[in-house]
Amino acid sequence: DAKTTQPPSMDCAEGRAANLPCNHSTISGNEYVYWYRQIHSQGPQYIIHGLKNNETNEMASLIITEDRKSSTLILPHATLRDTAVYYCIVRVSVESQGGKLIFGQGTELSVKP
Amino acid sequence: DAGVTQSPTHLIKTRGQQVTLRCSPISGHKSVSWYQQVLGQGPQFIFQYYEKEERGRGNFPDRFSARQFPNYSSELNVNALLLGDSALYLCASSLVGHGANVLTFGAGSRLTVL
Repeated sequence: DAKTTQPPSMDCAEGRAANLPCNHSTISGNEYVYWYRQIHSQGPQYIIHGLKNNETNEMASLIITEDRKSSTLILPHATLRDTAVYYCIVRVSVESQGGKLIFGQGTELSVKP
Repeated sequence: DAGVTQSPTHLIKTRGQQVTLRCSPISGHKSVSWYQQVLGQGPQFIFQYYEKEERGRGNFPDRFSARQFPNYSSELNVNALLLGDSALYLCASSLVGHGANVLTFGAGSRLTVL
C-alpha cells in the first residue's frame, strides 16, 4: 500500500501557483519524498525530491514540514501543459530496492484557462 | 540523448498467449525496473534488475519474468495471458540500483488481451 495520501483532484487557474498537498505521517527518518507526474498516455516524469530541507528546481518547489509528516509541491506559474496526475511517493530506501516506487492514486490537476 | 525506449508501443494478444516486452535504458544506466499500470490506477512495481541481477520483485505471479542483458537492456515476459494483464507496461532506468536516485520512465507498451 502507498504510504502517502493525496486529494484525488484539484483545479488551478492558468498563471497561478498550484499547491499540491501530500500526507506521509509514517515516513521514516531516512526516506525521501519524491514527486512524479504523468501526462495522459505517457510515462511518469520526475519532478523533484527531498529529504528534510525545502528544495527548488526549474520545474517546481518542494516544501517539507519540520516533522516531515507532510509536504507540498508548488508549481509557481501553472500552464495548461501542467495538467496531469501528480504522484507523491515516499521512497523505499533499502539498498536492494532502489528501483521500487510505491505509487498511490495521485492528484489529478486540471489547469484551466 | 535518447531516453528510455520501449517496444512494441502497442500490441494485442489473446488469452493464454505469451508476450515479450523490450526496454533499452538511457546510456550509462545500469538499473532497469518494470511497472504495470492498469487503467485508472497508479503504476505497480513488478521487477528491478541491476547489473543483470534481480534486485526486487513485486507481488506478481510467476507468469511474469524478466531478465537483463549485458548491454543493460531488459525484457519482460508474461506467460499464459489473462484478460487482467491488459495494461500499460512501463520501464524505468536509473544510474544506480539503490539510494536516492531518480527513475526515468519510458512511454510504455500498451498490452490488450482479448
